Amino acid sequence: NAGVTQTPKFQVLKTGQSMTLQCAQDMNHNSMYWYRQDPGMGLRLIYYSASEGTTDKGEVPNGYNVSRLNKREFSLRLESAAPSQTSVYFCASSEGIIDRTPWAFFGQGTRLTVV
Amino acid sequence: QKEVEQNSGPLSVPEGAIASLNCTYSDRGSQSFFWYRQYSGKSPELIMFIYSNGDKEDGRFTAQLNKASQYVSLLIRDSQPSDSATYLCAADTDKLIFGTGTRLQVFP
Repeated sequence: NAGVTQTPKFQVLKTGQSMTLQCAQDMNHNSMYWYRQDPGMGLRLIYYSASEGTTDKGEVPNGYNVSRLNKREFSLRLESAAPSQTSVYFCASSEGIIDRTPWAFFGQGTRLTVV
Repeated sequence: QKEVEQNSGPLSVPEGAIASLNCTYSDRGSQSFFWYRQYSGKSPELIMFIYSNGDKEDGRFTAQLNKASQYVSLLIRDSQPSDSATYLCAADTDKLIFGTGTRLQVFP
């Protein structure tokens, strides 16, 4: 049981390049999230998806797009990377808001550097 | 104002002492509250959750919730050097929002 799998683990981009961070979960969870973590800033929510087919903005959505491809997969796209997007990105999944299930599982993170 | 606030620390306690970590939240619609532990370079891992006012104990950990004061805390009894980590408080309304985390250092 892999849990939440993120790819890639590390990435270096040049300013203006685009890329997609992939996330997949095998726990049949409804909700999926993308966070970024910067020193001293904690985890900030970029986008979330409460269920397949829905996505909503979080605290810091600018510069990002997401796709909930199916129940398992939730991808994060940077269309034109900027140095301010240098961060560690975490994907997470949980059973869902309605059920109030407490468990939110995190992937191992993607360390992104934009030069 | 951030929806979930924590003191960034570091909080330094001696081995064997009680560590007290605090968190406040602004959205009165928040129903569920979580404490995650994050070691340096690792992913956050859930250690406690609480829904109801009062205390909830699990081993050396006690979570406390006061909805009237919009306050959540985590007590770690008999603190060990292995407890040294960043502790993240999170609130669940229609999305899971985290505080900035409190760094705990337990010294021998």
